[in-house]
Amino acid sequence: SQTIHQWPATLVQPVGSPLSLECTVEGTSNPNLYWYRQAAGRGLQLLFYSVGIGQISSEVPQNLSASRPQDRQFILSSKKLLLSDSGFYLCAWGLEGGWGDTQYFGPGTRLTVL
Amino acid sequence: AQTVTQSQPEMSVQEAETVTLSCTYDTSESNYYLFWYKQPPSRQMILVIRQEAYKQQNATENRFSVNFQKAAKSFSLKISDSQLGDTAMYFCAFWPYGGSQGNLIFGKGTKLSVKP
Repeated sequence: SQTIHQWPATLVQPVGSPLSLECTVEGTSNPNLYWYRQAAGRGLQLLFYSVGIGQISSEVPQNLSASRPQDRQFILSSKKLLLSDSGFYLCAWGLEGGWGDTQYFGPGTRLTVL
Repeated sequence: AQTVTQSQPEMSVQEAETVTLSCTYDTSESNYYLFWYKQPPSRQMILVIRQEAYKQQNATENRFSVNFQKAAKSFSLKISDSQLGDTAMYFCAFWPYGGSQGNLIFGKGTKLSVKP
């Protein structure tokens, strides 16, 4: 069966510091991968998605970036964090990759920027 | 803009009773997918149910069922025989045809509390 991991589970970072969040998927090959952010009291906002190694699409312009160095690894990064980057970050994967594909979510990372 | 609206920020229900969570969406597309996700206090999003717009039959998964009214652009979730473990945030999501690979649009959620 497929599983998705995210780490760290929680992170507290000062403003202006760098960020690296990691997501890995097991038990499948060539999944679509997604990064979402969930701010307090809001739904999920798609940040990035990837259909393959090195292929990244950005949905929202911001100071965050994403990379996919391996088939089942997805990394969310920032060079300098802002206060507004605080939130709950969720990674998800989809197998079929097409329109309407079910997305399965990881346990998330709680990021607090002080 | 295509949007998803969940008009009930919070709801509560007694254990073993039935509750219905509402969701409406706005789109000019005729083909799309609809989803309900559950986010318990552990924060991991879990798929509850998935509906394809071209299928008139309402989807069901055990105690969870939907009432899909395409003309009204409504997609409500009914939870029967509510259990304490159903306490969670519930998100309605919508994926219109022709959207990008990642174009899953979420509502703001309904917080459901199941009381003993």
